[in-house]
Amino acid sequence: GAVVSQHPSWVICKSGTSVKIECRSLDFQATTMFWYRQFPKQSLMLMATSNEGSKATYEQGVEKDKFLINHASLTLSTLTVTSAHPEDSSFYICSARHPTGRNTEAFFGQGTRLTVV
Amino acid sequence: GDSVTQMEGPVTLSEEAFLTINCTYTATGYPSLFWYVQYPGEGLQLLLKATKADDKGSNKGFEATYRKETTSFHLEKGSVQVSDSAVYFCALRGAGGTSYGKLTFGQGTILTVHP
Repeated sequence: GAVVSQHPSWVICKSGTSVKIECRSLDFQATTMFWYRQFPKQSLMLMATSNEGSKATYEQGVEKDKFLINHASLTLSTLTVTSAHPEDSSFYICSARHPTGRNTEAFFGQGTRLTVV
Repeated sequence: GDSVTQMEGPVTLSEEAFLTINCTYTATGYPSLFWYVQYPGEGLQLLLKATKADDKGSNKGFEATYRKETTSFHLEKGSVQVSDSAVYFCALRGAGGTSYGKLTFGQGTILTVHP
């Protein structure tokens, strides 16, 4: 199947700093990528839909100035957590939709564990 | 809005035991239904899917049938192995309107299989 790579796998940062997470589709071009957040023992919650060449679409309740999404190319989307605080500590996962039809499968990265201290 | 409810875990079984993980959903229209698996340290992988009522998805010995009358998509396997230990997520993809294309996940069920 198609491969989506996420980097880094884990990161620890100090409160108040910003952290960038990359999501790459390695063997296909993805016009649409999705960013999810997973709290311990809870479901994955969709944060935003990232569209190549245009602004991301954020879900209700997600702060767009806090979670900056850039989808500058067909193989790369980035999520930047700005001025991170301990409550931003979470598991962030991206997925990319393979462009082979209307009901296409989404492929997931391995996730990034963010810990803000 | 769309929602998915999974049975709470963790689920602990002995090797070769029968597995059922319940999943029910709420959605408008006719969503597609999925089971994803997440092995330790890895991303989510699609395990199986069903796109219309009465469809049965199957893969690696796992099965799930799309039951519209009971709005369910329960995951089953007749004989689990230690290598099946993972977190299992039930998910749906909306059929139309604002929910099209977005995946809504259940909370995940941790499965541990002992030798």
